[in-house]
Amino acid sequence: AQTVTQSQPEMSVQEAETVTLSCTYDTSESDYYLFWYKQPPSRQMILVIRQEAYKQQNATENRFSVNFQKAAKSFSLKISDSQLGDAAMYFCAYRTRMGSNYKLTFGKGTLLTVNP
Amino acid sequence: EPEVTQTPSHQVTQMGQEVILRCVPISNHLYFYWYRQILGQKVEFLVSFYNNEISEKSEIFDDQFSVERPDGSNFTLKIRSTKLEDSAMYFCASSEAEYSNQPQHFGDGTRLSIL
Repeated sequence: AQTVTQSQPEMSVQEAETVTLSCTYDTSESDYYLFWYKQPPSRQMILVIRQEAYKQQNATENRFSVNFQKAAKSFSLKISDSQLGDAAMYFCAYRTRMGSNYKLTFGKGTLLTVNP
Repeated sequence: EPEVTQTPSHQVTQMGQEVILRCVPISNHLYFYWYRQILGQKVEFLVSFYNNEISEKSEIFDDQFSVERPDGSNFTLKIRSTKLEDSAMYFCASSEAEYSNQPQHFGDGTRLSIL
């Protein structure tokens, strides 16, 4: 079974600075998807960024980028120029690409605080 | 932008009572999911639903749970006889197509409190 581990329960960053949230996962599969979701205090889970395992290039969405290290099974999220609105719980998630099993397996989350 | 909507936002129920959590997925989505998050723990998959039937369910999704799509818009999770340990945040999600790269869009969640 796949597992996702987020080793940082909490992180903080100064506004306009850069922060990296770590995520590692365990799988025997070679093809899969990885996601970062954001859950602000409003509670809605919002997709931040996704990465296909077969792609070597790291995904980027504006100020958000990932460092995908497939051999190390590591999938960290970098937030550049942090803004107050980035404060939220961030979840890393794994999804197989095989068959019809589309469920997401989540990590426990990292609570990000952005200090003005 | 279309959203997944969940009602109610907070449900308080006596232990042993039945509860129905409601979700309206995004209108052109075909795959539907329920997840739950016990306070302080990770988000866990409960069940996925496609073409009016369950496509996968987790060990958590035992006989006290059921899902239904009673009409063209609603997707419900029923817990028949609630237990204290059912207290959690329940999230509904939907995705557009079967391709696994399609992201799942989540609702705001329903906080279920069992007394």
